[in-house]
Amino acid sequence: DAGVIQSPRHEVTEMGQEVTLRCKPISGHDYLFWYRQTMMRGLELLIYFNNNVPIDDSGMPEDRFSAKMPNASFSTLKIQPSEPRDSAVYFCASSLKNTEAFFGQGTRLTVV
Amino acid sequence: KQEVTQIPAALSVPEGENLVLNCSFTDSAIYNLQWFRQDPGKGLTSLLLIQSSQREQTSGRLNASLDKSSGRSTLYIAASQPGDSATYLCAVHQQTGANNLFFGTGTRLTVIP
Repeated sequence: DAGVIQSPRHEVTEMGQEVTLRCKPISGHDYLFWYRQTMMRGLELLIYFNNNVPIDDSGMPEDRFSAKMPNASFSTLKIQPSEPRDSAVYFCASSLKNTEAFFGQGTRLTVV
Repeated sequence: KQEVTQIPAALSVPEGENLVLNCSFTDSAIYNLQWFRQDPGKGLTSLLLIQSSQREQTSGRLNASLDKSSGRSTLYIAASQPGDSATYLCAVHQQTGANNLFFGTGTRLTVIP
């Protein structure tokens, strides 16, 4: 397996624009997580899915953030409208229940 | 709420030294603890996973221990090399509540040639 695949690797956008981050989990994993990493706050869980169903979205900062998982092999994290304070590295991870989690390479988002 | 702490925040050692990184957590009701490595600008690479029933886990020059009752884990790196320079993160998988990982803030390790 190629591991967790995220795209794009880097995204630069203007404030107010819509941003969509994409993730392909490891085949067979039934848990998918979206994390955000900043220097100030470290790694924060935004939302996670089990069998394509959102289980806990309490970490989603605002209504501007939304996440979907239409099938077992694809998830998106959307920010609309984006703001400069959303600039961070966004990671996707997948796992089986309570087992080793594997992370993607991340998407570095810069909102100017 | 589970809190994970890693001390020190940064560590510099000369090449060849053995070293220990520390991780502590407040809620001992965990399924497992995972150690990750993160290189600058990169993602997280899983190093070791210790189940709550285990005391230690080894992979090459790395040895991770777990004392669940006291809420502590250590990552021991033997014969450090410059290529070990990275940030090391520990994360716990909690038994109760959400099935997610609680991360520490990491220890930034520099191994000096």
